[in-house]
Amino acid sequence: QVQLQESGPGLVKPSQTLSLTCTVSGGSISSGGYYWSWIRQHPGKGLEWIGYIYYSGSTYYNPSLKSRVTISVDTSKNQFSLKLSSVTAADTAVYYCAQYPDGNWFDPWGQGTLVTVSS
Amino acid sequence: QSALTQPASVSGSPGQSITISCTGTSSDVGSYNLVSWYQQHPGKAPKLMIYEGSKRPSGVSNRFSGSKSGNTASLTISGLQAEDEADYYCCSYAGSSPHVVFGGGTKLTVL
Repeated sequence: QVQLQESGPGLVKPSQTLSLTCTVSGGSISSGGYYWSWIRQHPGKGLEWIGYIYYSGSTYYNPSLKSRVTISVDTSKNQFSLKLSSVTAADTAVYYCAQYPDGNWFDPWGQGTLVTVSS
Repeated sequence: QSALTQPASVSGSPGQSITISCTGTSSDVGSYNLVSWYQQHPGKAPKLMIYEGSKRPSGVSNRFSGSKSGNTASLTISGLQAEDEADYYCCSYAGSSPHVVFGGGTKLTVL
């Protein structure tokens, strides 16, 4: 059974780059048929799709974040990563990674990690 | 503002049925049978409850069902139980960018 776990700093300074990694266990990120996704949730708010990546490296981003987002994959480590540049307080959120089959649903999800942007 | 529109809150008594609507457009909900629904309890990650509009993952109670009519998808929970109290989000594939859109979420209160 595939499991995902986010990791990275919980505090980032304004204007810096937020960097998170999602480690996949119980399955291979290179197996195909899945997109590997990042989703965030601002405190007390709804879910926002950030983007996803296929194991081959093809990426798709939310246009509202596209200029600041980079998602990459490291098949040797069975991990994928999120970088969000020039962060502000508005980027404070819980960040989730999730598997997204070609059938188009998110499952499973990581437990989520809170990232606070503050000086 | 979310791309898909959900009611902010719904409520029901134990044993009753409730329905949560999710209204999109002909570019997302109306064009694809790829609506999914997620349950989120406070402090927890979302959990997939319905996929491809009406299919239930293994382990999800058959009290949960999904449907679609035109640009509106719906989640129905029958035989409400206290444990169903949570936030519910709909999600749809949208084809072109953005590929994925979420609803704003609906808070279900079991009275």
